[in-house]
Amino acid sequence: DTGVSQDPRHKITKRGQNVTFRCDPISEHNRLYWYRQTLGQGPEFLTYFQNEAQLEKSRLLSDRFSAERPKGSFSTLEIQRTEQGDSAMYLCASSLAGTLDYEQYFGPGTRLTVT
Amino acid sequence: GQQLNQSPQSMFIQEGEDVSMNCTSSSIFNTWLWYKQDPGEGPVLLIALYKAGELTSNGRLTAQFGITRKDSFLNISASIPSDVGIYFCAGQKGGSEKLVFGKGTKLTVNP
Repeated sequence: DTGVSQDPRHKITKRGQNVTFRCDPISEHNRLYWYRQTLGQGPEFLTYFQNEAQLEKSRLLSDRFSAERPKGSFSTLEIQRTEQGDSAMYLCASSLAGTLDYEQYFGPGTRLTVT
Repeated sequence: GQQLNQSPQSMFIQEGEDVSMNCTSSSIFNTWLWYKQDPGEGPVLLIALYKAGELTSNGRLTAQFGITRKDSFLNISASIPSDVGIYFCAGQKGGSEKLVFGKGTKLTVNP
């Protein structure tokens, strides 16, 4: 399977703990995006990378959130001191910069539950 | 955050019927996309539209990029049970790479 993969698929954590999610994009894609989706809503943009550079961040991305893409391939999203309001599906997407820039392909998501 | 206005919120139809849903915004978008999401999974890209007035088909699905660049429509012909899911529109504005999503249309198809 050469699609976007995310790990873990589910994470349950206690409030105050740190969590880290991983995303592996489609291999030839140089853009990688993180979105958050809560129940009954569409995905909301968090941040995006082109290669290893983080080029755009949403105001939703508070100081407790940090994303990296150190070698321009996989990316990690870390949430520090989790709060119950962080419970959501975290989605990763990738695309290839060029003619079809905006065709973003999503992974299966990581479902985070903060208790 | 900003979201697109998507309607209807839900639809209950019989197998074989055609379906129409739309997405509107007060802002102009350069690109419109339509995704389908099954429970517990990520959205799957169905159709991407890049030009005002463009009409694009993907099998039984047809989508249009509105002339005003502020809306888009998705039609599904001859629906089948596997069409069940939530359909999202998404738009991209100039100067930003992010997609802005609607709240989705939940489709139920009765066999």
